[in-house]
Amino acid sequence: DAKTTQPTSMDCAEGRAANLPCNHSTISGNEYVYWYRQIHSQGPQYIIHGLKNNETNEMASLIITEDRKSSTLILPHATLRDTAVYYCIVRDAGNMLTFGGGTRLMVKP
Amino acid sequence: SAVISQKPSRDICQRGTSLTIQCQVDSQVTMMFWYRQQPGQSLTLIATANQGSEATYESGFVIDKFPISRPNLTFSTLTVSNMSPEDSSIYLCSVGGGGTGKNTEAFFGQGTRLTVV
Repeated sequence: DAKTTQPTSMDCAEGRAANLPCNHSTISGNEYVYWYRQIHSQGPQYIIHGLKNNETNEMASLIITEDRKSSTLILPHATLRDTAVYYCIVRDAGNMLTFGGGTRLMVKP
Repeated sequence: SAVISQKPSRDICQRGTSLTIQCQVDSQVTMMFWYRQQPGQSLTLIATANQGSEATYESGFVIDKFPISRPNLTFSTLTVSNMSPEDSSIYLCSVGGGGTGKNTEAFFGQGTRLTVV
């Protein structure tokens, strides 16, 4: 059973922030939220992960709700090269990554 | 970080034949993972390859169909045996992703695009 629910697809204008939601209502206390993306014809690429607190790195920000049942990946200034499938994954220590369907983000000029 | 090289990058094979995919990592790793990505689909874990022991297969995947070798800490192979058109997929090798320390990101190879005709 999928642990996460994401919209199938989203569009975003170039230069604007892309906000990608993810629902993980059955997340348990020791499970982390991971985000990966897969650009066409490439292997998945790690973006960011978090447990409870919001996280930010050079690629993106991750906002996790207080009840941890959902999160949002934010690409602050989307570029055409951010067009990809974005996967939200819930896992605990030692477990392998289980990919769901992901969100196909299309950044448009 | 880890750099992963997969060979071949793509191949077209006849049904009934077998193809061995190689995965080379630039550092020593305990576990290596093999995924399959069918056309238009997400990634599905096939098996975990541990050095010095037999691979651990996920539900729906068997050793006779997908034999795996792991001769050392930097190399693994996945063989797709007795291929049929349904095996046409991208096969990806991955390392990392275990644990919750700061080095918990997983790294993926570029994949092997297999077409069975």
